Amino acid sequence: DGGITQSPKYLFRKEGQNVTLSCEQNLNHDAMYWYRQDPGQGLRLIYYSQIVNDFQKGDIAEGYSVSREKKESFPLTVTSAQKNPTAFYLCASSAAGAGETQYFGPGTRLLVL
Amino acid sequence: EDQVTQSPEALRLQEGESSSLNCSYTVSGLRGLFWYRQDPGKGPEFLFTLYSAGEEKEKERLKATLTKKESFLHITAPKPEDSATYLCAVRNNFNKFYFGSGTKLNVKP
Repeated sequence: DGGITQSPKYLFRKEGQNVTLSCEQNLNHDAMYWYRQDPGQGLRLIYYSQIVNDFQKGDIAEGYSVSREKKESFPLTVTSAQKNPTAFYLCASSAAGAGETQYFGPGTRLLVL
Repeated sequence: EDQVTQSPEALRLQEGESSSLNCSYTVSGLRGLFWYRQDPGKGPEFLFTLYSAGEEKEKERLKATLTKKESFLHITAPKPEDSATYLCAVRNNFNKFYFGSGTKLNVKP
């Protein structure tokens, strides 16, 4: 089955700790994205990557970091600099052509202890 | 500035009561308007892509339409299982996506 997987489903972070959220896709998509979703708000773009070894900041990149070493994988690290990390994190991917649809993974809920 | 506004924020319908959800947008070079359904605690599920004004797409009880400034998601004779949050998004000519805040639909039996 083709799709996007995210792990873990739930993640708990202690103060001062960095945590990494996993995102893997087997759709052969070039572009991958990370969004943050807070209750009652739309999706906000954290980082995106249109090709391996290249990525760009989105609207709320502060306190986050990413890497794109493989086409299939786009992990997101929530650093200790992110002071309000509690949210639902969504990974998405799309083919590179104009107008291509973006597909989403199941999400990771990050909670602060 | 590219942006998407959805209305209403929440909508309560009786089973079988048809209605429409609105998505207004401004975008620098539309490269697609997308509708998604999102259930609580899950990732958005793709429904439709529309590319040009006048285009329409249908799936079961849902029909999406597009003009140069807005899109509508029409729900005909909804059932309780249609209850979800419906998200609208646009893709601009820089391949960035912009999402609305969603419409939370509740269909009562």
